[in-house]
Amino acid sequence: NAGVTQTPKFQVLKTGQSMTLQCAQDMNHEYMSWYRQDPGMGLRLIHYSVGAGITDQGEVPNGYNVSRSTTEDFPLRLLSAAPSQTSVYFCASSYSQGALSGNTIYFGEGSWLTVV
Amino acid sequence: AQTVTQSQPEMSVQEAETVTLSCTYDTSESDYYLFWYKQPPSRQMILVIRQEAYKQQNATENRFSVNFQKAAKSFSLKISDSQLGDAAMYFCAYRAGAQKLVFGQGTRLTINP
Repeated sequence: NAGVTQTPKFQVLKTGQSMTLQCAQDMNHEYMSWYRQDPGMGLRLIHYSVGAGITDQGEVPNGYNVSRSTTEDFPLRLLSAAPSQTSVYFCASSYSQGALSGNTIYFGEGSWLTVV
Repeated sequence: AQTVTQSQPEMSVQEAETVTLSCTYDTSESDYYLFWYKQPPSRQMILVIRQEAYKQQNATENRFSVNFQKAAKSFSLKISDSQLGDAAMYFCAYRAGAQKLVFGQGTRLTINP
């Protein structure tokens, strides 16, 4: 019963480096999303996807790319890391339409990223 | 645009007492869901309770209950018999259909032994 799995859990990057945060879910959820959480703040949406091949921007998309080639996976790419991207990143998933599920969004355990 | 507001950045309560966390939201939708998530120091996001807007009955999960006032767009969380393990950040969140989850700013709850 894996749920939403994120890797890596911790990462330190140098300014200008690129990397990919991996996210996988085994619940056959159509909807997947990435959030970032900065100190003392709630979660802000970076990008989301309502199904394979479909992605869209959230509140804070700049500096990030996503793709959704399969239902299970939704990687987040940092193109050229900046100190402002130091944050905790959460991947989340849910059914797109589902009164039975209550549209509950399930979260991964978070990925702590530091850019120096 | 939908917004969620938590007006209490911090709250504290004595162990075994009851505490209520406030949340208000703004939406033009008639059908939506409201959630309370708990985030302990580990940063894991844990669903505490969920409320469907079309249900008038307030949701309850053990020691956690909500006071959902749809007309007032208010969704408060009541924690009864507070325990040390309840100490965490609590986030109120809103979602309409397949739309994104919108979060409030959070309330940090401290439990005093």
